[in-house]
Amino acid sequence: GQQLNQSPQSMFIQEGEDVSMNCTSSSIFNTWLWYKQDPGEGPVLLIALYKAGELTSNGRLTAQFGITRKDSFLNISASIPSDVGIYFCAGFGGTSYGKLTFGQGTILTVHP
Amino acid sequence: DGGITQSPKYLFRKEGQNVTLSCEQNLNHDAMYWYRQDPGQGLRLIYYSQIVNDFQKGDIAEGYSVSREKKESFPLTVTSAQKNPTAFYLCASSPGPGRPAGIHTDTQYFGPGTRLTVL
Repeated sequence: GQQLNQSPQSMFIQEGEDVSMNCTSSSIFNTWLWYKQDPGEGPVLLIALYKAGELTSNGRLTAQFGITRKDSFLNISASIPSDVGIYFCAGFGGTSYGKLTFGQGTILTVHP
Repeated sequence: DGGITQSPKYLFRKEGQNVTLSCEQNLNHDAMYWYRQDPGQGLRLIYYSQIVNDFQKGDIAEGYSVSREKKESFPLTVTSAQKNPTAFYLCASSPGPGRPAGIHTDTQYFGPGTRLTVL
């Protein structure tokens, strides 16, 4: 089945630093989604990507849909303490309606 | 405000008891989903429903049951057959099939989750 490789698994950074994380897939995806999850809460959608090559920003967040349709990255610029959380990528390949494939998550810790 | 609600936030049950988790959405979405999340792990799909009165098993359906009698509601029952039910349960919804062009049917939005602890 489809698998997503998300890296890194965890990151420890200083406030103000930029962050980059990525996901790669063993097969082609039609949609890439990036979520953030705070402890004890549900994931919140940050950015949705629907077209190969698409680059989308949401405030300090930027995400890109890889041109091969097998990868995506998320960048966070000038990190702040409230960026702490778990970031998940998810993809939809179009072969099984509605069934997203999720990455294992990147745990982000920001030191003030 | 449109959104997805899950209740209760925390649930405690004795081993061997069935328990039902509630999920309601007022986003007019056709499709709804249930996921299980264990500490330090990703999300695993339990059941999903693309339309009222129809649902499909996900990757870990054993020990769970669902119903979809109304568009807005998709309750999940954790039965006594589920060997390790303690987990964080997340409900999600997406617009679903048959939507106008420009509506991304597979983008899922999540509720706040229910933490189930079986004693």
